[in-house]
Amino acid sequence: AQKITQTQPGMFVQEKEAVTLDCTYDTSDPSYGLFWYKQPSSGEMIFLIYQGSYDQQNATEGRYSLNFQKARKSANLVISASQLGDSAMYFCAMRGDSNFGNEKLTFGTGTRLTIIP
Amino acid sequence: EAGVAQSPRYKIIEKRQSVAFWCNPISGHATLYWYQQILGQGPKLLIQFQNNGVVDDSQLPKDRFSAERLKGVDSTLKIQPAKLEDSAVYLCASSLDLRERRDNEQFFGPGTRLTVL
Repeated sequence: AQKITQTQPGMFVQEKEAVTLDCTYDTSDPSYGLFWYKQPSSGEMIFLIYQGSYDQQNATEGRYSLNFQKARKSANLVISASQLGDSAMYFCAMRGDSNFGNEKLTFGTGTRLTIIP
Repeated sequence: EAGVAQSPRYKIIEKRQSVAFWCNPISGHATLYWYQQILGQGPKLLIQFQNNGVVDDSQLPKDRFSAERLKGVDSTLKIQPAKLEDSAVYLCASSLDLRERRDNEQFFGPGTRLTVL
């Protein structure tokens, strides 16, 4: 079974500051993938970044980076130079690779990020 | 490229009534997912299709929920009869069947917000 834990229900951050959203996970799969999605008030889930469990380097996509610490089972999302448009819900998700072809994502409960002008 | 389409966007029904949601995935995407997102929670997978076959429906309440993807393209999710606890956003997602791509991103539609009174 897989479990994702996001311990920050809400965060307020000043515009242009960096922000770290926490995510810890638990799985028995030797190989897995970690995802971050953004969900604005419109409701659509927007893919941000992916980290494979065997990737040697932390993933980066523009202003998004993933601080992956495998031994601690954490996959925190870092957003640099935050913008007002970053205000949204953020979900961490995991996909196990043991059952190849079943690509179900297990999501955490999310963190609501609010950027203050 | 057109995204995942869903309709209706909003639906209000009385308990014990029936309701159906429609999803049209991105063209060429073999895999289609239906997720249920209850307020304050992350999405939970209800059913996954690979073309027109079911890959995973372990969390689908089969006594009241049904889904089909007859021609391997668009899909319909039905609830009959609805209960109060079915109030949620129903998200449809699709992805390519590229099993060699570990990051195989899921693209989400805008969702259907269901309210059961």
